Amino acid sequence: EVQLVESGGGLVQPGGSLRLSCAASGFTFSNYWMSWVRQAPGKGLEWVATINQDGSEKYYVDSVKGRFTISRDNAKNSLYLQMNSLRAEDTAVYYCERSRYCSGGSCYSTFDHWGQGTLVTVSS
Amino acid sequence: QLVLTQSPSASASLGASVKLTCTLSSGHSSYAIVWHQQQPEKGPRYLMKLNSDGSHSKGDGIPDRFSGSSSGAERYLTISSLQSEDEADYYCQTWGTGIVFGGGTKLTVL
Repeated sequence: EVQLVESGGGLVQPGGSLRLSCAASGFTFSNYWMSWVRQAPGKGLEWVATINQDGSEKYYVDSVKGRFTISRDNAKNSLYLQMNSLRAEDTAVYYCERSRYCSGGSCYSTFDHWGQGTLVTVSS
Repeated sequence: QLVLTQSPSASASLGASVKLTCTLSSGHSSYAIVWHQQQPEKGPRYLMKLNSDGSHSKGDGIPDRFSGSSSGAERYLTISSLQSEDEADYYCQTWGTGIVFGGGTKLTVL
């Protein structure tokens, strides 16, 4: 069974930092691109960042560029999001999402599994 | 610019059918999308991937009551025999240079 379990959320002051983790199991993690998606209270889903299967390509929404860094450790089946210079508008539940399958030079998008989310609150 | 447009709300009666729409922006009518369901206080759940030709692949355990179809730039999610647990937010998602979400449709089952 595919499982994605996020952790690392919490209350942080504006300007502070936080590192989120997503532990993956039940599939070959190193074959998949992975993404972080967030949802502010009462709002819709917003893409944050995506990383390819070996970590050599990373993509970010403009609002987090230069502040957030997505990374992964395939040996640990884990995805990370380092969040620096946090702002009140970064307050949200953060989800990891399995995004794209790649094998043998062929890829296709999946977007087929989500974690349960971890809440990040930026407030003084 | 790749944009997905959804109506903010929809409603239908218990046992009836409802058709939700996700519209791709001009020039992007060939794009596939994904439909997700988010029940209250829960994380999103993958429903299906829907191609421009209307073919779709559903997630494990998704009931046959959920189906997808396409027409031009429109992508549809039809839910038949509505049940109370279908009351949820429904999001469409696609991808280009980045991932794009529609604003979501809040479905109320009357």
